[in-house]
Amino acid sequence: AQKITQTQPGMFVQEKEAVTLDCTYDTSDPSYGLFWYKQPSSGEMIFLIYQGSYDQQNATEGRYSLNFQKARKSANLVISASQLGDSAMYFCAMREFYGNKLVFGAGTILRVKS
Amino acid sequence: DGGITQSPKYLFRKEGQNVTLSCEQNLNHDAMYWYRQDPGQGLRLIYYSQIVNDFQKGDIAEGYSVSREKKESFPLTVTSAQKNPTAFYLCASSPPDFANTGELFFGEGSRLTVL
Repeated sequence: AQKITQTQPGMFVQEKEAVTLDCTYDTSDPSYGLFWYKQPSSGEMIFLIYQGSYDQQNATEGRYSLNFQKARKSANLVISASQLGDSAMYFCAMREFYGNKLVFGAGTILRVKS
Repeated sequence: DGGITQSPKYLFRKEGQNVTLSCEQNLNHDAMYWYRQDPGQGLRLIYYSQIVNDFQKGDIAEGYSVSREKKESFPLTVTSAQKNPTAFYLCASSPPDFANTGELFFGEGSRLTVL
């Protein structure tokens, strides 16, 4: 069964610094996708970035990058130049190729300090 | 604009009452999902549907029911059998083609409180 683990319940980062949010996963399917979502206090879920298991390069989207280490089964999110608006809950999620659902980790609350 | 609309945004219910949460999408997506989120926790899958007139139980289906009579609509009923229904409920949809990212598109959520 697929499983997602986020070991950091909460993180603080100084404005303008970079921060890494950890995510490890477990699956027996060789083909899968990894996702990161942001959830502000309003509750909406905002898609940030996607990494396919066969992608050769780490995914990047603006200030977001995904540090994909397949052998270690980790998919850490790196946010560069943190902004106050980055304060939110962040979820890592995975979907197996032959699966039809997204499984989420418990989330990490990020607080950006000015 | 295309998107997912959930209603109501806030809902209060007395114990023993059934309540139905609405979810409508105009993205022409085949797949739709219901997730439950408790405070400080991740999302847990309640039910999902890949096509009209078909749906499957997720990880925490007990006490919930759904229907999928139309592609655009996937309502969730929280029944009196659900022991702890107070939570934030999120509806989502996705195109089935995994060649796309398989990204889920979410509604803004419905917050249910049992009094």
